[in-house]
Amino acid sequence: DTGVSQNPRHKITKRGQNVTFRCDPISEHNRLYWYRQTLGQGPEFLTYFQNEAQLEKSRLLSDRFSAERPKGSFSTLEIQRTEQGDSAMYLCASSSFDSNTGELFFGEGSRLTVL
Amino acid sequence: SQQGEEDPQALSIQEGENATMNCSYKTSINNLQWYRQNSGRGLVHLILIRSNEREKHSGRLRVTLDTSKKSSSLLITASRAADTASYFCATDRDNYGQNFVFGPGTRLSVLP
Repeated sequence: DTGVSQNPRHKITKRGQNVTFRCDPISEHNRLYWYRQTLGQGPEFLTYFQNEAQLEKSRLLSDRFSAERPKGSFSTLEIQRTEQGDSAMYLCASSSFDSNTGELFFGEGSRLTVL
Repeated sequence: SQQGEEDPQALSIQEGENATMNCSYKTSINNLQWYRQNSGRGLVHLILIRSNEREKHSGRLRVTLDTSKKSSSLLITASRAADTASYFCATDRDNYGQNFVFGPGTRLSVLP
């Protein structure tokens, strides 16, 4: 296991289409996070899971966004009826709740462009 | 909303010089982390400092934390062109110190 893996790395879609991103965390990590990052800004928290339970969801996350982690391993983030404002880098990170450091391990991100 | 705010927003220095970035935050924390991000890539953890610590070192990195002023600084000594990146502070936002809010970052350019 070499780290957090995200797919696809790049996605170009037309407004109104649905897109889905997948994140495979480090296998022994029980926490999984989704962040969104726009150009020149820091990562913005979207949601996180502990095992399969979604513990928190940002108020910024509209009902067009849904995330799942069905078996407590990989996670998907779906955006329905995409809008141009959804264009961003979507970052996934994982961590171990048992860790003393709370360090987040990030994937390389999935860049979404909505035309 | 963002808990941490980095300062300056951008910093340009010559190779070999030291770079100092600051982070201010609003509410009490359990710990604070610094991350680095190369353009178009994911974030990489640099260092964590706990609320009961005042200073921490890792290689060419030195982090300080002043909880009374709710601020932290990251010092990179003897900078290299490869240090060119964005640097973010992240403060925890839950009681377990396991969920983090990131600031807008400092964009560091180290010129050869």
